[in-house]
Amino acid sequence: EAGVAQSPRYKIIEKRQSVAFWCNPISGHATLYWYQQILGQGPKLLIQFQNNGVVDDSQLPKDRFSAERLKGVDSTLKIQPAKLEDSAVYLCASSLLSGGVDTQYFGPGTRLTVL
Amino acid sequence: RKEVEQDPGPFNVPEGATVAFNCTYSNSASQSFFWYRQDCRKEPKLLMSVYSSGNEDGRFTAQLNRASQYISLLIRDSKLSDSATYLCVVKGFQKLVFGTGTRLLVSP
Repeated sequence: EAGVAQSPRYKIIEKRQSVAFWCNPISGHATLYWYQQILGQGPKLLIQFQNNGVVDDSQLPKDRFSAERLKGVDSTLKIQPAKLEDSAVYLCASSLLSGGVDTQYFGPGTRLTVL
Repeated sequence: RKEVEQDPGPFNVPEGATVAFNCTYSNSASQSFFWYRQDCRKEPKLLMSVYSSGNEDGRFTAQLNRASQYISLLIRDSKLSDSATYLCVVKGFQKLVFGTGTRLLVSP
């Protein structure tokens, strides 16, 4: 079974530029999560989708971050404009059910460096 | 106070040693608890769930103390391949909250 796919794997941009990440969850998984993991910290949930609806985006910096999951499958996360403190690994995860009880499977992540 | 707190380590142990990690959480209403493992520059992967009665999976034993709001992970007979960061994870309201992780280094 294919896992969660993410692209690109690495991205280097300058501050104030824009960047977008893509995630393809495991087939059939209704719930999709975007996490931000800063070096030395645990993953922090940015946004959770149930199919194509947002369940939780309370920790998403909405002035610069946006995410969508059109058609309830793939998802994109965008940062515009980027700041130095956005340098982190952006992890996408998916689970069959919602609520976090079901096992979440993580993709390999996108490592973002903002210069 | 952080929702989930862990000692970042690193814990340096020789092969064959027994090592234990603790984790405390602040939300007494938390219902589900997990340990995830994260290898260097890799994604987190579920190691095991933590049940109130305690549970064991091979060399790994997880325990939950609701009264004191802490979770533990015990690794017996450490292997070199156990070297990783171990993330304590607590299910809050519909979402998982991750600790910062405890780094384990097992040496020959």
